[in-house]
Amino acid sequence: DAKTTQPNSMESNEEEPVHLPCNHSTISGTDYIHWYRQLPSQGPEYVIHGLTSNVNNRMASLAIAEDRKSSTLILHRATLRDAAVYYCILRAPSRGFGNEKLTFGTGTRLTIIP
Amino acid sequence: NAGVTQTPKFQVLKTGQSMTLQCAQDMNHEYMSWYRQDPGMGLRLIHYSVGAGITDQGEVPNGYNVSRSTTEDFPLRLLSAAPSQTSVYFCASSYGGGMVEAFFGQGTRLTVV
Repeated sequence: DAKTTQPNSMESNEEEPVHLPCNHSTISGTDYIHWYRQLPSQGPEYVIHGLTSNVNNRMASLAIAEDRKSSTLILHRATLRDAAVYYCILRAPSRGFGNEKLTFGTGTRLTIIP
Repeated sequence: NAGVTQTPKFQVLKTGQSMTLQCAQDMNHEYMSWYRQDPGMGLRLIHYSVGAGITDQGEVPNGYNVSRSTTEDFPLRLLSAAPSQTSVYFCASSYGGGMVEAFFGQGTRLTVV
């Protein structure tokens, strides 16, 4: 499986944008890029995913480099509730039985400073 | 909508005891899975199921059994608990294969003494 590299921790001021980087230099052409986050004492929560084009949803934006070897999760205006561990995950497309899993790394712990 | 419900939230077991961690989802999802999370490590896949009657092993299946008799339920059984199984356990479900937008439960914190 292709691996991802994320900084262990980041800090950001409240109400400012946050850019969370992820490197995935061995990504294959069909791997999807997923982001999940885990708030304290909770299960992971889906944030966003994409393949090649940048993606936006109500929670965040995902910017994918043209060569797809890196991506950035963008929180447009951080709040204290965004303090969490953010996981960048590569997922191969489902090819039927045996391929349905997410491989979580250790993620980036995001601290929001009031 | 309750989403994914795990019970119990906390459990202490003695070495050698058995127990079942319950997981139920009300979203009619085909795919369900169990992960464990240990301090300083990411989530690791234990077992998963792509539908009722179909299960398979993940990355760390030893010491755990699963079955899937209904779409809604996916229990995880520890046959003979060991201290190495002290962990936080998460159940997840998604609509189809590939865990595109997975929903996770709140977790079960298990301590084996």
